[in-house]
Amino acid sequence: IVLSQSPGTLSLSPGERATLSCRASQSVNSAFLAWYQQKPGQAPRLLIYGASNRATGIPDRFSGSASGTDFTLTISRLEPEDFAVYFCQQFGGSLRSTFGQGTKLEI
Amino acid sequence: QVQLVQSGAEVKKPGASVKVSCKASGYTFTNYYIHWVRQAPGQGLEWMGWINPNSGGTDSAQRFQGRVTMTRDTSTSTAYMELSRLRSVDTAVYYCARPQGIYTPSNRWFDSWGQGTLVTVSS
Repeated sequence: IVLSQSPGTLSLSPGERATLSCRASQSVNSAFLAWYQQKPGQAPRLLIYGASNRATGIPDRFSGSASGTDFTLTISRLEPEDFAVYFCQQFGGSLRSTFGQGTKLEI
Repeated sequence: QVQLVQSGAEVKKPGASVKVSCKASGYTFTNYYIHWVRQAPGQGLEWMGWINPNSGGTDSAQRFQGRVTMTRDTSTSTAYMELSRLRSVDTAVYYCARPQGIYTPSNRWFDSWGQGTLVTVSS
C-alpha cells in the first residue's frame, strides 16, 4: 500500500490552521493509521493513532480524521513548535507497514 | 520508563555489512515486537521489518529480504539489525521502535523510538 501525502511543503503562519492529507492507494484499516511529527535531529513522535486518537500528551489542537482512503491531520491553531515534518503510517494485517513521504510544515 | 538506546554511528565501505543494536529497558523485552525504520538524509521514513523478541521470528519489507537479518539477545534485552551488501544508498539513520501495545490494534503504532544510528556507506 502506497501512502501519498500532500502537500509536500505547507507554508503557514502561527495561529493559522493547517490541513495535511494522506491518501492510500488501496483500502486501509483506519484503526491502523497513525501520524508522527519529526523535528530536525530527532526521532519521530507519535501524534495520532487509529486515525483520530491523540497520543498521550498531544495538545487538542491536533486532530485526525478519515474518509475512505483519505486521512487528514488538522492543526487548528499553529504554535511555533508545530513547524516540523509530518508523516502518516499504515499497517497491513500482516504487520507490514509503509510511511507516506512526509509533509514539511514551514513558517 | 521505556527506553531504547542504540549503538553509535558507523562508517562502512560498499559491500560490507553493518550491525546496529537497540537495548531496551523499562519494560519486559519479550512482550513487545521491535521494528526497524530507516531515514536517508533529507528523506522520509522507510519501514524495514520487525522481530518478535519472544520467538525470534522476523519479517521484513520485500526490498530488504535476503539482505537484512534481525536477531535478539533476551539476556541483555537487546535487538540487532544487520544489513549486508551495503551500497551508498543505504546511507541513512536507522531507528528501532516499539509499538505501544502487545495486541491489535495497539501493536500498529510506535510510541517509543531509539535515538537513531547514522550509518554512512562510502568508499
